[in-house]
Amino acid sequence: EIMMTQSPATLSVSPGDTATLSCRASQSVGNNLAWYQQKPGQAPRLLISRASTRATGIPARFSGSGSGTEFSLTISSLQSEDFAVYYCQQYNKWPFTFGPGTKVDIK
Amino acid sequence: QVQLVESGGGVVQPGRSLRLSCATSGFTFSVYALHWVRQAPGKGLEWVAFISYDGNTEYYADSVKGRFTISRDNSKNTLDLHMSGLRGEDTAVYYCARSDSGPYLYWGQGTLVTVSS
Repeated sequence: EIMMTQSPATLSVSPGDTATLSCRASQSVGNNLAWYQQKPGQAPRLLISRASTRATGIPARFSGSGSGTEFSLTISSLQSEDFAVYYCQQYNKWPFTFGPGTKVDIK
Repeated sequence: QVQLVESGGGVVQPGRSLRLSCATSGFTFSVYALHWVRQAPGKGLEWVAFISYDGNTEYYADSVKGRFTISRDNSKNTLDLHMSGLRGEDTAVYYCARSDSGPYLYWGQGTLVTVSS
């Protein structure tokens, strides 16, 4: 099973700042990496697939990069609605696995 | 628009069974693979099970293998998860999700399963 780790566990950011979240896979997943955003009481929302492709309707301030085992999600000019938990997921190999999440909260 | 609506959650005693359903609409059900993903209270996301578009291929997380069965009815556009031998650690919100060549673009709202005596 491919283990996914995310850092930091919590990121405190001021509105308008840039947040950079990291995701690491225990073995290469190519670019088969997705990022999701989850707010309390809601289902996750797909932000990024194939490591860097924004899903339909996702603002350009969300960007993904990386390949192999190292990935990052950058949120530029953080808006109030961006404070949430972010998960990465590899879908290169069964079982698909999620990272433990990074909580982005208000500084 | 695409909709996935889970049902069937509730409180169940350890060792008992429960069947979850996911009713879908707004897309051609029979061409998409589907998954169940769960989230224990206050915890992260855990993939549970997968079924191919035609129902011929199934995969399960080790934590549920042999206890859970995923199935689909392409004539009724529904997805099921039959859970047996339930344990406390199965307590979670269960989501059905549509796979779009891997990642999950569409999710249901989730249904809560609580395993408790």
